[in-house]
Amino acid sequence: QVQMVESGGGVVQPGRSLRLSCAASGFTFSSYAMHWVRQAPGKGLEWVAVISYDGSEKYYVDSAKGRFTISRDNSKNTLYVQMNSLRGEDTAVYYCARANYDRSGWGYFDFWGQGTVVTVSS
Amino acid sequence: DIQMTQSPSSLSASVGDRVTITCRASQSISRYFNWYQQKPGKAPNLLIYAASSLQSGVPSRFSGSGSGTDFTLTISNLQPEDFATYYCQQTYNTLLWTFGQGTKVEIK
Repeated sequence: QVQMVESGGGVVQPGRSLRLSCAASGFTFSSYAMHWVRQAPGKGLEWVAVISYDGSEKYYVDSAKGRFTISRDNSKNTLYVQMNSLRGEDTAVYYCARANYDRSGWGYFDFWGQGTVVTVSS
Repeated sequence: DIQMTQSPSSLSASVGDRVTITCRASQSISRYFNWYQQKPGKAPNLLIYAASSLQSGVPSRFSGSGSGTDFTLTISNLQPEDFATYYCQQTYNTLLWTFGQGTKVEIK
């Protein structure tokens, strides 16, 4: 069965760095684009970043550009996001999500991890 | 960037009610549009994809409609387990998939 498990969250001071991981299993990881989505306490979902199935394309929300780097290791079935220069507004639950498409090409997130909590505070 | 605007931001309803949530895209997105349900402390769950296709395993009381810029999620015969927050999402932009701000459905 498809499973994605995030790790790496924690409490970090403003300006410091953190790397989150998402270990995937139960599917051919290298065939799917993968996304990071976050949710600040009491707020809605915010799309953060995406990486194509082969790592050749990467896109970020404006607030993450220049600070976050998404990557993947298809040999380890693992997705990463390196977060530098963290700010209080980066405090959130971070989810990894698998992008899938139906036969007609309509895309959606069909599986999500359970989330990992990042708290940026001094 | 494509902006997604949901309304209302919250609503109160009773078990058995028919509930409608709307979402508007800032530009035409055809049917590259999904609805998710999220319960507290849990990851979101896909309900509807391609604007009107019911995800496998989702009860038939959930339905979606719309195309272009205006979309609707309808929950007929609201059940206790449907009290949650609902999010719309556009997938028109290749890989840049963004969400609406959410609609919280509460018990009246």
